[in-house]
Amino acid sequence: GQQLNQSPQSMFIQEGEDVSMNCTSSSIFNTWLWYKQDPGEGPVLLIALYKAGELTSNGRLTAQFGITRKDSFLNISASIPSDVGIYFCAGAGSSNTGKLIFGQGTTLQVKP
Amino acid sequence: GAVVSQHPSRVICKSGTSVKIECRSLDFQATTMFWYRQFPKQSLMLMATSNEGSKATYEQGVEKDKFLINHASLTLSTLTVTSAHPEDSSFYICSASSVRVYEQFFGPGTRLTVL
Repeated sequence: GQQLNQSPQSMFIQEGEDVSMNCTSSSIFNTWLWYKQDPGEGPVLLIALYKAGELTSNGRLTAQFGITRKDSFLNISASIPSDVGIYFCAGAGSSNTGKLIFGQGTTLQVKP
Repeated sequence: GAVVSQHPSRVICKSGTSVKIECRSLDFQATTMFWYRQFPKQSLMLMATSNEGSKATYEQGVEKDKFLINHASLTLSTLTVTSAHPEDSSFYICSASSVRVYEQFFGPGTRLTVL
């Protein structure tokens, strides 16, 4: 079945630094999404991408849908302490069921 | 917009009892709702997909008689864990989507502890 590999698994950075994480797939995806989950909460949708090559920003966050349709990355610029959390990528194929496949998550810690 | 609520947020029950978790889309009509289970430090595991008025579609390995899902309206889905056992203890999260079916909006989750 389809799988997503998300990296890095965890990051510990200094406040103000930029962050980059990515997801790769063994097969083509038609949709990529990025979520953030705080401890004990449900994931919150950050960015949704629908076209290969698409580059979308949401404040300090920027995500891109890879040209090959098998990868996506998320960048966070000028990190702040509230960026702490687990970031998940999610992808969808062509089934149109709405089902998403989630990456393993990237745990981000920011040192003030 | 796109707010999803879950109730209860936390429940502790005795082994053998049944627990019902409600998921509501508060400001939109959810054509599809999803139920996930999440273990500590792990990703989300999809349990089932439900469409309003239809039977839920369960993922492989998920017992449909154990995890009963009802999607009675476009704003409400329920998950009932029947005859719960300690191994059912987990974080259960629902999500809902509408026209843009892949944009899933998640509830805050329900922490179930079975003693």
